[in-house]
Amino acid sequence: EAEVAQSPRYKITEKSQAVAFWCDPISGHATLYWYRQILGQGPELLVQFQDESVVDDSQLPKDRFSAERLKGVDSTLKIQPAELGDSAMYLCASTQTGTDQETQYFGPGTRLLVL
Amino acid sequence: GDSVTQMEGPVTLSEEAFLTINCTYTATGYPSLFWYVQYPGEGLQLLLKATKADDKGSNKGFEATYRKETTSFHLEKGSVQVSDSAVYFCALSPNTGGFKTIFGAGTRLFVKA
Repeated sequence: EAEVAQSPRYKITEKSQAVAFWCDPISGHATLYWYRQILGQGPELLVQFQDESVVDDSQLPKDRFSAERLKGVDSTLKIQPAELGDSAMYLCASTQTGTDQETQYFGPGTRLLVL
Repeated sequence: GDSVTQMEGPVTLSEEAFLTINCTYTATGYPSLFWYVQYPGEGLQLLLKATKADDKGSNKGFEATYRKETTSFHLEKGSVQVSDSAVYFCALSPNTGGFKTIFGAGTRLFVKA
C-alpha cells in the first residue's frame, strides 16, 4: 500500500539553528499539506500546495518558516532560526485528485525538539 | 470561523465496554465530517467519514452519524479492545474549495485488559 514518506523521524536541535524536513507524498497526489501538531493538540495547517504552487500559507510564520515543492512532487519545510516553541510534531499529508479529494493520507511525522 | 470541539480525555475503559467520544462542530454550509485515529508513534489515518446530513460512517466496529440539527458527529463502538487504544481526532472539511481540514484537539483512549 502506498504511503507518505517523511524524514527524519526525529530531530533534536538547538535554538537559533536551521532545520529541514522532507516529505514524499503518495505518487500521483497533487495536493500536499504540512501540519504542526503540538503535544496534546490537533494538527494545524501550516501550508498547502497544489502541484508546485502554494494554495494556503496563511498560518505559516514566514519570518522563520519556508516551504517549497519545486517539481510538484516531494516537499521540504525549513525553519531558520528554530525557537523553543517550535518543538512539535510536523506532519505531512497528501490528497488525491478526482474522487475523494477530502481524505488526507498522513506520513508518520517528524518529531522536533528544540533545546 | 469553522471549528471542531471534542470531549477532553483521557478516556479509560475496560475491554468490551461501550465507547462514546463526543464531537460538535461549527461551520457555515455543509461540511464533510471525519474521524481520524493516531496510534502511538504513527501519523493520523482515516477511520470513517460522512459527507452529508444523516449519513452514517462506519469502519472496524466504529460508527458515527452526521447530525446537522445538533451539529454533532459522535464516535461510538459497542465493544472496545485493547488494540483500540489511541488518540481519536474529529475533523471537518468545509467544502468551500481547497479541501482544507480542521481538526479537533483529540481524545486519548486507554483500554484496559
